[in-house]
Amino acid sequence: GESVGLHLPTLSVQEGDNSIINCAYSNSASDYFIWYKQESGKGPQFIIDIRSNMDKRQGQRVTVLLNKTVKHLSLQIAATQPGDSAVYFCAENAGGTSYGKLTFGQGTILTVHP
Amino acid sequence: DAGVIQSPRHEVTEMGQEVTLRCKLISGHNSLFWYRQTMMRGLELLIYFNNNVPIDDSGMPEDRFSAKMPNASFSTLKIQPSEPRDSAVYFCASSLNQQDGYTFGSGTRLTVV
Repeated sequence: GESVGLHLPTLSVQEGDNSIINCAYSNSASDYFIWYKQESGKGPQFIIDIRSNMDKRQGQRVTVLLNKTVKHLSLQIAATQPGDSAVYFCAENAGGTSYGKLTFGQGTILTVHP
Repeated sequence: DAGVIQSPRHEVTEMGQEVTLRCKLISGHNSLFWYRQTMMRGLELLIYFNNNVPIDDSGMPEDRFSAKMPNASFSTLKIQPSEPRDSAVYFCASSLNQQDGYTFGSGTRLTVV
């Protein structure tokens, strides 16, 4: 989706709960997707990526799911910790002649309460 | 590795002045991306380079903006003349061959008054 607007989606969870952050992407030609975490005053930090030939990829405490049929991406964080509080962005790479052009979603604010 | 290094971290300038933002890529990376982040528009790609060559500059707002890679490890983004609406956080990111997760710098917060 477009990165426009003042009001980011928010998600509040309790420490220890699992978190699911969703992202709808717009370009059916996108073949590479990345989740980034951005803490206040810092640049986006790579979390996990997935290519379009996969529908699931797991990392440490994180899992990314890709549903190309409905152009949907999700990030699951297990046993969420206060340090996970940040803005989370999905990003897509359209491939082809646009290869390298990473387009970001608007972001989701995750707040983890102790 | 020190990661992607941007300077300055903060810049406050008066409208009409020239502003130059700097970025040092991660050693061995050959792709460089400049992004701008605002509350209204989120993260926008301004321009990206591969092997020092600009590949796509369609995101550059106007002719007041220009970017260069004088060598394989360094880039500048220049705004001349600057305007208040240019106020934003500017990030650069680097990668190897435009693949895999791009590594971002800490950004330059620009305020034009």
